[in-house]
Amino acid sequence: GQNIDQPTEMTATEGAIVQINCTYQTSGFNGLFWYQQHAGEAPTFLSYNVLDGLEEKGRFSSFLSRSKGYSYLLLKELQMKDSASYLCAVVSGDYKLSFGAGTTVTVRA
Amino acid sequence: GAVVSQHPSRVICKSGTSVKIECRSLDFQATTMFWYRQFPKQSLMLMATSNEGSKATYEQGVEKDKFLINHASLTLSTLTVTSAHPEDSSFYICSALAGGEVEQFFGPGTRLTVL
Repeated sequence: GQNIDQPTEMTATEGAIVQINCTYQTSGFNGLFWYQQHAGEAPTFLSYNVLDGLEEKGRFSSFLSRSKGYSYLLLKELQMKDSASYLCAVVSGDYKLSFGAGTTVTVRA
Repeated sequence: GAVVSQHPSRVICKSGTSVKIECRSLDFQATTMFWYRQFPKQSLMLMATSNEGSKATYEQGVEKDKFLINHASLTLSTLTVTSAHPEDSSFYICSALAGGEVEQFFGPGTRLTVL
């Protein structure tokens, strides 16, 4: 089975930086996705990592260490609209996606 | 970009009735479609994987006779919730995967409420 862990909640101030960690144990690995999900909506794609290292895309960056089974999503210059749930999802050997429980980020003024 | 639609977006039905949800890939051919369920404040749970022209593969604990999945073409999969009960009330989300790709494209979701 898959085991994906991420914190339940995080709170940060507008303009600050927040790092959401994700650890995983899976059978087979074909990459790791980060998604943003607002209440009542489907997840939207943020990033995909399959090789070790940092992928930067504007205010969002994602890091992967396959040997450690670890990833993080870094959100910089936080805006109020960034308040949402952030989902870590791992692609297993059979190309199925297994999701973590999600981290609810609350941005305060 | 790749677009996936779902219909209906919201449905309310009486207990004991059946509800059909459609998932369409609008601008690409989806060799595989996935159906997820999400209860409030929980993450997405994979229900089943469907490949065009073959029977769906269900995850452990998901009743295949209750959640009927049909993937008749490369652009359409349907999920029918049969004899729905209030505990089936949930947010159902489909995703579509093109052959050789890793990224799944998600539909907007269907909110099912069973009275």
